[in-house]
Amino acid sequence: GEDVEQSLFLSVREGDSSVINCTYTDSSSTYLYWYKQEPGAGLQLLTYIFSNMDMKQDQRLTVLLNKKDKHLSLRIADTQTGDSAIYFCAESIGGSGTYKYIFGTGTRLKVLA
Amino acid sequence: DGGITQSPKYLFRKEGQNVTLSCEQNLNHDAMYWYRQDPGQGLRLIYYSQIVNDFQKGDIAEGYSVSREKKESFPLTVTSAQKNPTAFYLCASSGTGGRNTQYFGPGTRLTVL
Repeated sequence: GEDVEQSLFLSVREGDSSVINCTYTDSSSTYLYWYKQEPGAGLQLLTYIFSNMDMKQDQRLTVLLNKKDKHLSLRIADTQTGDSAIYFCAESIGGSGTYKYIFGTGTRLKVLA
Repeated sequence: DGGITQSPKYLFRKEGQNVTLSCEQNLNHDAMYWYRQDPGQGLRLIYYSQIVNDFQKGDIAEGYSVSREKKESFPLTVTSAQKNPTAFYLCASSGTGGRNTQYFGPGTRLTVL
C-alpha cells in the first residue's frame, strides 16, 4: 500500500545544515512536497518537486529526489532557531483530476543555540 | 488576501454533543479536505470533496459528517458517535488540475470535557 516514512526527531546546532529524509512506496507519485508545522498552527508549504526532477533549490532549501530508491530529502542550510518545527513529507498520487495525498508522520527538528 | 480560514481556533465540547467546525477558502479551489492530527502522528484523512454537492469518505470517516453546499465552504460536524474526538483538525484545499498543491488552514483544536 501507499506509505511515507520519516524519522521522528532531528537535532542540529544553529548555523549547521539540517537534512531531513523521507522514503515513499508509491512509484506513481506526481509531486512530492515538504511542509512545515509550527506549534499549534497549520501546515505551511515550504517547497515541492515534480517527480521527474532530481533536485530543486529555493534559497536555503534544497530538495533531492532519488526516484529509483524512492527517497526524498530536504536540506536546510544555515539552520536557525526559527527553523525549529515539525517537517512533513507528502506525495500526491493519481491523475485525471483525482489526487490523493499521503503524508509522513513528520520529523521534529530542534535547533540548538 | 487569499487563504483558508478555520473557526474557532479552540473548541470545547461536552460528551454527547455534536459540534461543527468551520472551514472557508477564497482560493477558488474545487477540492477541499478535512484531516485529523493526533500528537506524534501524521495526518489522517476524514472526508474530502472535489466538487460542490459531492464528497467522499476518507480513512477515518466514522463519527464525522460534512456538507459541501458552496465552493468556498466545507464544514465538518463531529458527532457524538465519534468515540475519541479530542484532536487537532486541519482543513485544506487544492485545485484539481496540474500541480494540485494542498494549502492548509490554521487548524481547530477540539477538546472534549
